[in-house]
Amino acid sequence: SQQGEEDPQALSIQEGENATMNCSYKTSINNLQWYRQNSGRGLVHLILIRSNEREKHSGRLRVTLDTSKKSSSLLITASRAADTASYFCATEDSGTYKYIFGTGTRLKVLA
Amino acid sequence: EAGVTQFPSHSVIEKGQTVTLRCDPISGHDNLYWYRRVMGKEIKFLLHFVKESKQDESGMPNNRFLAERTGGTYSTLKVQPAELEDSGVYFCASSRGQGTDTQYFGPGTRLTVL
Repeated sequence: SQQGEEDPQALSIQEGENATMNCSYKTSINNLQWYRQNSGRGLVHLILIRSNEREKHSGRLRVTLDTSKKSSSLLITASRAADTASYFCATEDSGTYKYIFGTGTRLKVLA
Repeated sequence: EAGVTQFPSHSVIEKGQTVTLRCDPISGHDNLYWYRRVMGKEIKFLLHFVKESKQDESGMPNNRFLAERTGGTYSTLKVQPAELEDSGVYFCASSRGQGTDTQYFGPGTRLTVL
């Protein structure tokens, strides 16, 4: 599997429901970040979680990190149509500082 | 403060032609990164500048790609000659420092090679 692999690849939900996306990675990391990309637009940074943190919240976003399983999850609560986008996780490799992105999860929120 | 900007937003060229992409990082950010996403694949790191020096260019796919950052401000990424497989979205990012500093991404340049 790819470093920074998101799961599922595509997700379609109704407005108001929660959306959960997962990310797995392979190497040791300094931090993991989640990004959103609206169609045709640039990446927007959502949240950064450091390797010594287990959970972070930002508004309707909740990110967890399990370094023992090398995985992270992004939960968007009470989703809105405006949340429709592709979501990427990116891991910063410890030592090299390179970011490795996955292929992303395409989220579609239906009004 | 202004974000990372990239120019052009979209470029369509013929195979064999040359294209130059430009990235203007956030003012004061010494670190500048180039990434690209080809169709259906993950976003991949290309290279990293610290000021005007290439810190890491291990992700550059081949010698048809040349990146510069004269003066440590904006950066250019030239593809010469372009091939069909170079089509994709090229992202630039900048950060003040390394390590735990957040990288701020530009909107990307969509390159289409026909």
